Amino acid sequence: DAKTTQPPSMDCAEGRAANLPCNHSTISGNEYVYWYRQIHSQGPQYIIHGLKNNETNEMASLIITEDRKSSTLILPHATLRDTAVYYCIVRGWVGAGTASKLTFGTGTRLQVTL
Amino acid sequence: DSGVTQTPKHLITATGQRVTLRCSPRSGDLSVYWYQQSLDQGLQFLIQYYNGEERAKGNILERFSAQQFPDLHSELNLSSLELGDSALYFCASSPWTGGSYEQYFGPGTRLTVT
Repeated sequence: DAKTTQPPSMDCAEGRAANLPCNHSTISGNEYVYWYRQIHSQGPQYIIHGLKNNETNEMASLIITEDRKSSTLILPHATLRDTAVYYCIVRGWVGAGTASKLTFGTGTRLQVTL
Repeated sequence: DSGVTQTPKHLITATGQRVTLRCSPRSGDLSVYWYQQSLDQGLQFLIQYYNGEERAKGNILERFSAQQFPDLHSELNLSSLELGDSALYFCASSPWTGGSYEQYFGPGTRLTVT
């Protein structure tokens, strides 16, 4: 699985959009970009994932560049409850019955402030 | 609430002892994963089971073992415990192994070895 690079920390004012970047310059064609977050010591929470196209769900939007070497997770209106460590993970599509672990890096610690 | 349950939430035990952590996956999910999160190592994959069979091993010590039962719940057994085994242990599940399915994490078991 491709390696990812994220800034160690970011701040965002409540109500503003939080844009979290991720670099994955060695990503290959069948690898997906996943985003998870971990609030304090809770279990990691799945946010969104995508392959090529931009994706949006009720939690966030994922923008993947055309060359797929980087992506941005957007929380459109950050709240204090979005304060967490955000992990960008690249993982390939795997066949049925094969291993499909997630490899977590150090992530970005997002602090949302009033 | 991810639908994944883990028991117990907290466990305090002494060095040299043995403990069992339990995980119930989301209804219908066949694949179970175990991860360990310690302060100095971050989130690390330990082992994966799919429909009762081991599928992948990560950084799991020989003192640790796991199994997945016919009802799909899983147990992680930790023996000859050392101080360094103190960590959060998370279980995750996904519908099957393979594809691009996301994993859903439980709330974790905090193990303290004294």
